[in-house]
Amino acid sequence: AQRVTQPEKLLSVFKGAPVELKCNYSYSGSPELFWYVQYSRQRLQLLLRHISRESIKGFTADLNKGETSFHLKKPFAQEEDSAMYYCALSGPRNTGFQKLVFGTGTRLLVSP
Amino acid sequence: DAGVTQSPTHLIKTRGQQVTLRCSPKSGHDTVSWYQQALGQGPQFIFQYYEEEERQRGNFPDRFSGHQFPNYSSELNVNALLLGDSALYLCASSLGGDGNGYTFGSGTRLTVV
Repeated sequence: AQRVTQPEKLLSVFKGAPVELKCNYSYSGSPELFWYVQYSRQRLQLLLRHISRESIKGFTADLNKGETSFHLKKPFAQEEDSAMYYCALSGPRNTGFQKLVFGTGTRLLVSP
Repeated sequence: DAGVTQSPTHLIKTRGQQVTLRCSPKSGHDTVSWYQQALGQGPQFIFQYYEEEERQRGNFPDRFSGHQFPNYSSELNVNALLLGDSALYLCASSLGGDGNGYTFGSGTRLTVV
């Protein structure tokens, strides 16, 4: 079964504190992993994908296949990071049409 | 480029009625996927259209149906509405069904009373 678990509904931190949003997944094979973000009154948008190994807005995410995790991290949170974050997976690239399976999301609140 | 556009933005329907939601994909995209996002939940995949055919379907009843037009735009139809169908319906477009390239619309908020 394909499943994404985000154990925290809400994560509240102070500005400048480190942030880690947890994501665990279940998938038979090698999925593609993503983090999507939804800022207040904005549409859902891609933050980063594991295949790119990129850092966006200071966020990074490492795929740990042994622990089937894809946690999102940022060393110093900013108030503008406050948003809803969704972890998602899809099937491997170039294997046909892909759907996204989302977790339930974690709301990040960064206080001044 | 307006990206993915959805209409209407809000809709209120009565139980048992039928509803049609519309989506225009981002310019250059040819695949449209629909997702249902209930309150407090992540988006759930309904189905995906490419070349005017349904390519994949999630775990939704036949009351949910769709269509894709030659210009790649798409409709989502829901018959015999239930209170539980109240949700935000998201449309996402991509090129060739590539899961890495989804662009989402702002959604249609459907309330069933």
